[in-house]
Amino acid sequence: SSELTQGPAVSVALGQTVTITCQGGSLRRYYASWYQQKPGQAPVLVIYGKNNRPSGIPDRFSGSRSGITASLTITGAQAEDEADYYCNSRDTSGNPSWVFGGGTKLTVL
Amino acid sequence: EVQLVESGGGLVQPGRSLRLSCAASGFTFDDYVMHWVRQAPGKGLEWVAGISWNSGNIDYSDSVKGRFTISRDNAKNSLYLQMNSLRAEDTALYFCARYIEVTGTGGYSYFDHWGQGTLVTVSS
Repeated sequence: SSELTQGPAVSVALGQTVTITCQGGSLRRYYASWYQQKPGQAPVLVIYGKNNRPSGIPDRFSGSRSGITASLTITGAQAEDEADYYCNSRDTSGNPSWVFGGGTKLTVL
Repeated sequence: EVQLVESGGGLVQPGRSLRLSCAASGFTFDDYVMHWVRQAPGKGLEWVAGISWNSGNIDYSDSVKGRFTISRDNAKNSLYLQMNSLRAEDTALYFCARYIEVTGTGGYSYFDHWGQGTLVTVSS
């Protein structure tokens, strides 16, 4: 099956901008969706499609895609943004399936 | 308000079976595709299975194919996961998730609502 590759960890100073990336062949065809997960909680959708935010997600979260790389950018990171972030897309190999990236732990300093 | 509430998890011996349920409310259940996603302790998210609104399309990950069965009862607004021949590596928090897909040029898909999960521990 296809894979989505994320870096394991990234840090950002409070109020600064950080980008989390996700690479995989399926992203050439499908937009990634992005999920925030805080310890002991369920994942929460933060970005979907080309660059769409669900209701209630701050506009400091944005998404983009270039080739096989999807990116989640937080502009002006806040302490409450510290969490694990996962990308997801349809899998383009074989039978219909869905794939998640391994997750990136964001630390806000 | 959309709510998804999983139940049925617990401690089970390897090789045994377990049935998970997900009770949905706050939306028209039979309008949506539904999925199960799991997360092993300290690990990332892993897609498990998905089912279309009328159960006409069902998909499984290779890791559970032949052992797990996803089903739904639209009259009861409920999603199920029958797990047979359980293995230690099936130990995880199991989430049900509502799915949306927009087809066509520039299409995309996403899981817009998730339950809190039910923990399955496979151990002797």
